Amino acid sequence: EVQLVESGGGLVQPGGSLKLSCAASGFTFSDFAMHWVRQAPGKGLEWVGRIKNKAKNYATTYAAPVKGRFTISRDDSKNTAYLQMNSLKTEDTAVYYCTRRDCSGDYCYSDFWGQGTLVTVSS
Amino acid sequence: QSVLTQPPSASETPGQRVTISCSGSSSNIGSNAVNWYQQLPGTAPKLLIYSNNQRPSGVPDRFSGSKSGTSASLAISGLQSEDEADYYCAAWDDSLSGVSFGGGTKLTVL
Repeated sequence: EVQLVESGGGLVQPGGSLKLSCAASGFTFSDFAMHWVRQAPGKGLEWVGRIKNKAKNYATTYAAPVKGRFTISRDDSKNTAYLQMNSLKTEDTAVYYCTRRDCSGDYCYSDFWGQGTLVTVSS
Repeated sequence: QSVLTQPPSASETPGQRVTISCSGSSSNIGSNAVNWYQQLPGTAPKLLIYSNNQRPSGVPDRFSGSKSGTSASLAISGLQSEDEADYYCAAWDDSLSGVSFGGGTKLTVL
């Protein structure tokens, strides 16, 4: 059974840092790209960024609002993906989800999602 | 303001059919596949439709997806009370080099 479990959320002051983890199990983690998606309270889904697999040189891409502040990484030996968040702003307050990215031909989709971890940025 | 446009709400009575639209542009829906996600209250999103019209294992055939040009639709037939949820469309956006989501449609089963 595929499982994704996020951790590391909490309350942080504006300008602070936080590192989220996404522990994966039930599949060959190293084969898949991993994405992060967030959802502000009462709002819709917003894509944060992704990291590809080793075959794709662990390439990363970020959404404009977080580029330069957030860094996605992974440790395939630990079956874990990470989201390092620096220079946090109040507008980064959200539930953060990690997702597994699978593909059918040229088209890809997030087929499994974690339960999410809440990040609150407030003084 | 979301890149993909969905109606904020939809409603229908049990047993009926409802469709939810998703409008985009040539850089997203026009050149990439559309995926749909269902988010039940208080839970994480779940993949409902992928590659425009494919259902993952376990998703009832009451749910169907279609795409034409720069728009897509999700149809739900035989509505049930447990279908009350938020529905999001999504597609890769070549211009943004990222995933664009719709703003979500809150479905109410009357």
